[in-house]
Amino acid sequence: GENVEQHPSTLSVQEGDSAVIKCTYSDSASNYFPWYKQELGKRPQLIIDIRSNVGEKKDQRIAVTLNKTAKHFSLHITETQPEDSAVYFCAAVNPNYGGSQGNLIFGKGTKLSVKP
Amino acid sequence: EAQVTQNPRYLITVTGKKLTVTCSQNMNHEYMSWYRQDPGLGLRQIYYSMNVEVTDKGDVPEGYKVSRKEKRNFPLILESPSPNQTSLYFCASSFLPLSSSGGTDTQYFGPGTRLTVL
Repeated sequence: GENVEQHPSTLSVQEGDSAVIKCTYSDSASNYFPWYKQELGKRPQLIIDIRSNVGEKKDQRIAVTLNKTAKHFSLHITETQPEDSAVYFCAAVNPNYGGSQGNLIFGKGTKLSVKP
Repeated sequence: EAQVTQNPRYLITVTGKKLTVTCSQNMNHEYMSWYRQDPGLGLRQIYYSMNVEVTDKGDVPEGYKVSRKEKRNFPLILESPSPNQTSLYFCASSFLPLSSSGGTDTQYFGPGTRLTVL
């Protein structure tokens, strides 16, 4: 089945710096890669996603890049702010795993701390 | 307002006492799913459903059951809870297929249910 590795597990940056979180996946059939932000005590929220036919997607200060050959994708946050502090999860959907399109495999998360 | 609701939000129970955690969405989503979140392990999928009467196992289905008799509801059933099922549980819903997600307003998580099994 699919396996998603996420690094680093913790990341501390100064306000205004950039933050990069990387994920790798094992099955080249995976075709959808969402990113979630989870603030302390709250539910995960989808912040950006990318499909396998796209190499990069940007939404204001956040962007996601996908390298299908290397089977890795990354979340980039520019001009970080204290409110970006949260746990970020990457995930992958593999249409062949479990014989359906609904099996979402998550990375273990990255705790991002943005220091004022 | 588009939302996913879960009940109860907090539950303390004892080993072996059957319990059900309800999940309901008001967005007419085909896809619903249950996850458990444990420290250091992230979110792991328990079961998911593609539509009414269509369910499938996720990563960690042992000890859980689900049903999808109506499109809006997707209850999680623990027939005989054990302490290793102590966790934070999230329900989620979306239109299908996930790989066709058109943006950040297409997937919703419920507020979570914190379950403790003594």
